[in-house]
Amino acid sequence: ETGVTQSPTHLIKTRGQQVTLRCSSQSGHNTVSWYQQALGQGPQFIFQYYREEENGRGNFPPRFSGLQFPNYSSELNVNALELDDSALYLCASSLSSVHREAFFGQGTRLTVV
Amino acid sequence: QQQVKQSPQSLIVQKGGIPIINCAYENTAFDYFPWYQQFPGKGPALLIAIRPDVSEKKEGRFTISFNKSAKQFSLHIMDSQPGDSATYFCAASPLTSGTYKYIFGTGTRLKVLA
Repeated sequence: ETGVTQSPTHLIKTRGQQVTLRCSSQSGHNTVSWYQQALGQGPQFIFQYYREEENGRGNFPPRFSGLQFPNYSSELNVNALELDDSALYLCASSLSSVHREAFFGQGTRLTVV
Repeated sequence: QQQVKQSPQSLIVQKGGIPIINCAYENTAFDYFPWYQQFPGKGPALLIAIRPDVSEKKEGRFTISFNKSAKQFSLHIMDSQPGDSATYFCAASPLTSGTYKYIFGTGTRLKVLA
C-alpha cells in the first residue's frame, strides 16, 4: 500500500505567476484535502474533494482552486501568486468522506519571490 | 469558536521524562481530536486520536487525556526519547455533513535531551 505522495517537493515561483501542485492519494482513499502551513504555524484547511467534487472550503480566496481526478489524485492550483503564499502545501487523504483519519503527504515547499 | 489553543509553544525534557502538551477548544461541534507529529521538512504523521465519549486513550507510549466538560485535551509521551524530538500538533474536527476538515493548534516544539 503506497502512502500519499506529492510533487514537486520544492518550487520557486515569481509573484503574479500561477502554480500547480499534485497529490496522489493513498491507495483506496477517495477523499483528498489540501492544507497550507506557513512557517512555524499549524496547517490551515484550504479545501476538500470527494469523488471529484469540492465538498468543503476554508477561508481562502478563489485564486486557490483544485481538481480531483477519477483515480482520486488531486491538483491544487494557485493563480496570481503573492509573497504570502510562500508555505508548505500539504495534501491529506482519507479512506472516505466518513472516515476521520487523514494521512498527510510530505508536502510541497512553495517559495514566492 | 473555530480555534484550537495549544500550549506550551516549546518544551524541553530529559530522556525518560513525560512531556505534556495541552489543547483547549470552544466549539462543541468538534467531535474528533487527533494528534500529529511533524519532523522538519516532513508532513504531519498521525499519532493517536480520540472522540469525546472517551476520557483516555493509549497507544504505545502516547496517551490522550480528554476532559469534555472543560473542553480540553492533552498528549502525554511516556518514557520520552531523543527520537521524539519534533513538533506536535493537536487538531479538532467538527461534525459537519461530508466535510471533515481539521482545525490545528499552533504546535509545540519538543526537544528531548539525551
